[in-house]
Amino acid sequence: GENVEQHPSTLSVQEGDSAVIKCTYSDSASNYFPWYKQELGKGPQLIIDIRSNVGEKKDQRIAVTLNKTAKHFSLHITETQPEDSAVYFCAASGTGANNLFFGTGTRLTVIP
Amino acid sequence: DSGVTQTPKHLITATGQRVTLRCSPRSGDLSVYWYQQSLDQGLQFLIQYYNGEERAKGNILERFSAQQFPDLHSELNLSSLELGDSALYFCASNPQAGGNYGYTFGSGTRLTVV
Repeated sequence: GENVEQHPSTLSVQEGDSAVIKCTYSDSASNYFPWYKQELGKGPQLIIDIRSNVGEKKDQRIAVTLNKTAKHFSLHITETQPEDSAVYFCAASGTGANNLFFGTGTRLTVIP
Repeated sequence: DSGVTQTPKHLITATGQRVTLRCSPRSGDLSVYWYQQSLDQGLQFLIQYYNGEERAKGNILERFSAQQFPDLHSELNLSSLELGDSALYFCASNPQAGGNYGYTFGSGTRLTVV
């Protein structure tokens, strides 16, 4: 099955700086890569996703890049704000796969 | 509100007991997934149902079972509870049977076993 690794496990940045979280996956058949944000005491919420026919996708201050050759994808958050503090999970799945395979999460802290 | 409803939000019970967690998927979604999240841990996949039938199993203990009913709501049954079963239990749903349709998560049930 798919194996998703995520780094770093914790990340602290100053408000206004950028944050980057990286994930690698093992199954070359994977073609869907979502990112979830989990705030304290809440369920994970989809914030952005990318499919393998696209190399980069942006939504305001967040962007995801995908390198299919190297089998890695990254989440970029620019101009970080305190409300960006949360745990972020990457995930991967492929056509025919029954479920998403999640990374182990990154706890992001934005210091005001 | 994500559209996925989980009840109860909190549950405190004693070791050896049995509990039932309930999930109503988002309207129109046919698949339900159950995940366990222990303190400061990642999301451990337990089981998936699609339109009433079991589709995939993850690291689900034999003491745990689930089902999906004709109205598509799902229940996760946890029996002979141990202290280590204390965790957040999340339900997620999506329209089809595949992971590449993305998930919508509920807000979870926090289970505390004392």
